[in-house]
Amino acid sequence: GAVVSQHPSRVICKSGTSVKIECRSLDFQATTMFWYRQFPKQSLMLMATSNEGSKATYEQGVEKDKFLINHASLTLSTLTVTSAHPEDSSFYICSALGAVLQHGYTFGSGTRLTVV
Amino acid sequence: AQSVTQLGSHVSVSEGALVLLRCNYSSSVPPYLFWYVQYPNQGLQLLLKYTSAATLVKGINGFEAEFKKSETSFHLTKPSAHMSDAAEYFCAVSEKGGYQKVTFGIGTKLQVIP
Repeated sequence: GAVVSQHPSRVICKSGTSVKIECRSLDFQATTMFWYRQFPKQSLMLMATSNEGSKATYEQGVEKDKFLINHASLTLSTLTVTSAHPEDSSFYICSALGAVLQHGYTFGSGTRLTVV
Repeated sequence: AQSVTQLGSHVSVSEGALVLLRCNYSSSVPPYLFWYVQYPNQGLQLLLKYTSAATLVKGINGFEAEFKKSETSFHLTKPSAHMSDAAEYFCAVSEKGGYQKVTFGIGTKLQVIP
């Protein structure tokens, strides 16, 4: 089945630094990738949608200059949290959609970001 | 616009008892519906999905869900709970017709009591 690999699974960084999270589709080409943020005991909130080779579409309220998304190839999307602050600490999850539309989007295992 | 309402943020059942997790949706067009399971500090795993075929959908781990258009519901059930079923469950909806973004419910945490 479709597999999405997300790295790192956990990261701790100092306030003011940047962190990059990678999301790779291992056995299919992902034309569209999604980045979600999940706060404790809450649901997933869509941050942005990225299509390979084009700029990401951000949801309302998400700072595009803070959360940089790159989808340079059909198998890789990255989320960079720039100038991280403690309030950016959260669980970030990516999801990928293949070129052949298969509903039931495949999710990565998530990244727990802690900013200290 | 689409939305999902999950009734009950926490549900407790005894091991071996019926599991029923409720989900109601709102969609302006015929929807696709999903149930996902999430274990602590992990991503989401698809349990099952409804995409306009049979209204009773069978998924992994013995779970199933029934799409009821008249009730705008997609409740998740399992006849007999196992300890390993303890997790958070998310109902989600997307609209048909090419790619559409998925909207998630707030989740229901299932506790299984020995």
